[in-house]
Amino acid sequence: DSGVTQTPKHLITATGQRVTLRCSPRSGDLSVYWYQQSLDQGLQFLIHYYNGEERAKGNILERFSAQQFPDLHSELNLSSLELGDSALYFCASSASVISGEQFTQYFGPGTRLTVL
Amino acid sequence: AQSVAQPEDQVNVAEGNPLTVKCTYSVSGNPYLFWYVQYPNRGLQFLLKYITGDNLVKGSYGFEAEFNKSQTSFHLKKPSALVSDSALYFCAVRNGGSQGNLIFGKGTKLSVKP
Repeated sequence: DSGVTQTPKHLITATGQRVTLRCSPRSGDLSVYWYQQSLDQGLQFLIHYYNGEERAKGNILERFSAQQFPDLHSELNLSSLELGDSALYFCASSASVISGEQFTQYFGPGTRLTVL
Repeated sequence: AQSVAQPEDQVNVAEGNPLTVKCTYSVSGNPYLFWYVQYPNRGLQFLLKYITGDNLVKGSYGFEAEFNKSQTSFHLKKPSALVSDSALYFCAVRNGGSQGNLIFGKGTKLSVKP
């Protein structure tokens, strides 16, 4: 168990809908990263938050957005869903630079999104 | 741009034999390299990392990896494979420093037969 939790585990929805994926990082970790895993694209970085602030964006669609709350949990919002958004969505967390343990990212179990 | 390549889609090994899963990298600056394993319907589990120091890195479950700067490689190895090692293995490099995102290879499916 990595200590990173994600809910829900599975999500089935229809095209055009909006969903929210939730991630709680390991205790004390300030960084949260979101990744998408699909058969055709592999593992792709979406977005990085550090202590509530957006730090970097990757291949994240404009229909997707994220935020990190004061308690450090993060949510990934996916809207106007398309069939191609079906994928496994992971979040990962890592420690602060001050800790000296910032290099390793620990992954949650993922949320499997199916868009019908 | 940082990148990693895993040249083999699948590696087949007999139980008890040594295994190697290959990874090469392309980075500007010092590479921060990682191996993760993914079992079916599970998340990614961290195996080991190279940040600096000894070229031979030891990790979880008896795995180790050798960092080779001249060949820009970071191959994952295990002296004696177990059937339970069968899984999908990903090599990754940190993008842009110690807090950057991970850039993953396409993954290598390891199959260990009894």
